[in-house]
Amino acid sequence: AQSVTQLGSHVSVSEGALVLLRCNYSSSVPPYLFWYVQYPNQGLQLLLKYTTGATLVKGINGFEAEFKKSETSFHLTKPSAHMSDAAEYFCAVSERGGSYIPTFGRGTSLIVHP
Amino acid sequence: DAMVIQNPRYQVTQFGKPVTLSCSQTLNHNVMYWYQQKSSQAPKLLFHYYDKDFNNEADTPDNFQSRRPNTSFCFLDIRSPGLGDAAMYLCATSRDRRGGSYNEQFFGPGTRLTVL
Repeated sequence: AQSVTQLGSHVSVSEGALVLLRCNYSSSVPPYLFWYVQYPNQGLQLLLKYTTGATLVKGINGFEAEFKKSETSFHLTKPSAHMSDAAEYFCAVSERGGSYIPTFGRGTSLIVHP
Repeated sequence: DAMVIQNPRYQVTQFGKPVTLSCSQTLNHNVMYWYQQKSSQAPKLLFHYYDKDFNNEADTPDNFQSRRPNTSFCFLDIRSPGLGDAAMYLCATSRDRRGGSYNEQFFGPGTRLTVL
């Protein structure tokens, strides 16, 4: 069975600083990988996804993530944080060749200080 | 724009009074999901439909039911809401279930349920 671990329920950065949100997965085969963002009182919005091909994936709002099979990781980064990036971020995985239902991590709240 | 719509955005009900939340989609997706999300937690899948095929999660209480009368609409019925059912309810869709881009989920804005 697959699982997702997001290290750190809260990450705090200063505006302009690097954002790094961590996601590790446990799966028998490399899964499909997703990052979603949720703003207060909103639904989830897809930031980026990895299905196949290039392991460095670029998403919306300047975010990117790199799939590292050897580390079973899919960390989310952004070079320079904006105040508007403050939100909840969820990593999700779905099993390649198996259940198509994504498994969500518990989420990481990104706090951006002026 | 193609989208997932949830109504109402905010719903207040009384303890034990049945309530129905609605979701509609213009994406023509085969799969529709209902999630419950409590504060600072990940969304918890309640059930999903693949076309007309209903799939209930093992730990979803019997108090929660769902209907999908056609491709575009899906309803969540809570027969006797308790205080513990107060949460954000998210509807999502995906194109199909073949994996990869096919199961990328598109979420509605959610309905926040308050139980008095």
